Amino acid sequence: DAGVTQSPTHLIKTRGQQVTLRCSPKSGHDTVSWYQQALGQGPQFIFQYYEEEERQRGNFPDRFSGHQFPNYSSELNVNALLLGDSALYLCASSLKYMLGNRFPITGELFFGEGSRLTVL
Amino acid sequence: AQSVTQLDSHVSVSEGTPVLLRCNYSSSYSPSLFWYVQHPNKGLQLLLKYTSAATLVKGINGFEAEFKKSETSFHLTKPSAHMSDAAEYFCVVTPDAGAGSYQLTFGKGTKLSVIP
Repeated sequence: DAGVTQSPTHLIKTRGQQVTLRCSPKSGHDTVSWYQQALGQGPQFIFQYYEEEERQRGNFPDRFSGHQFPNYSSELNVNALLLGDSALYLCASSLKYMLGNRFPITGELFFGEGSRLTVL
Repeated sequence: AQSVTQLDSHVSVSEGTPVLLRCNYSSSYSPSLFWYVQHPNKGLQLLLKYTSAATLVKGINGFEAEFKKSETSFHLTKPSAHMSDAAEYFCVVTPDAGAGSYQLTFGKGTKLSVIP
């Protein structure tokens, strides 16, 4: 059973460029969340996608956008890159609702190994 | 709003001795609390979670944590450290145990070193 997979694992961009990061959730999961982890810091919530819509968003500018596809995979796009965008970007997947139960699950997140972005 | 404070940025213990990683939280609601572990160049892995059931929570690899509402603490412990426990540990809070919020708030992390 494949876990959460992210690509690319490493990439280098220059200021002003745009980047797209990709995530495939764990088999059976329908919800994808994205986190940014700067060096020496804990991850910070960017946004969450469920049913191809952005459901929750953290304190990130509009330069950060995303998409979820019908197969539940997701992309994170960052436009007009800044030096401060250099970080490890983590994708996490989960089930929005436990099977047979209308109540959503909290915190059962499975993380990928991340995409390390360096902006020069 | 919710937040977590991990009281130590770095903890160093000898192999076979107890581990204590401290976490205090702040939340306006009944929180869900978690500990995640991150090994070098690896993704985050859930160690254990508290969601308003038993206050003493047992997790994987011999770790456990106790939820103390009066002290707003959720410290992580392990009786005997193993070399493989060396990693970064994150205390995490969400605002409501049943709301399905995926906006986890992470602490800054505690790096655990285990000395042979």
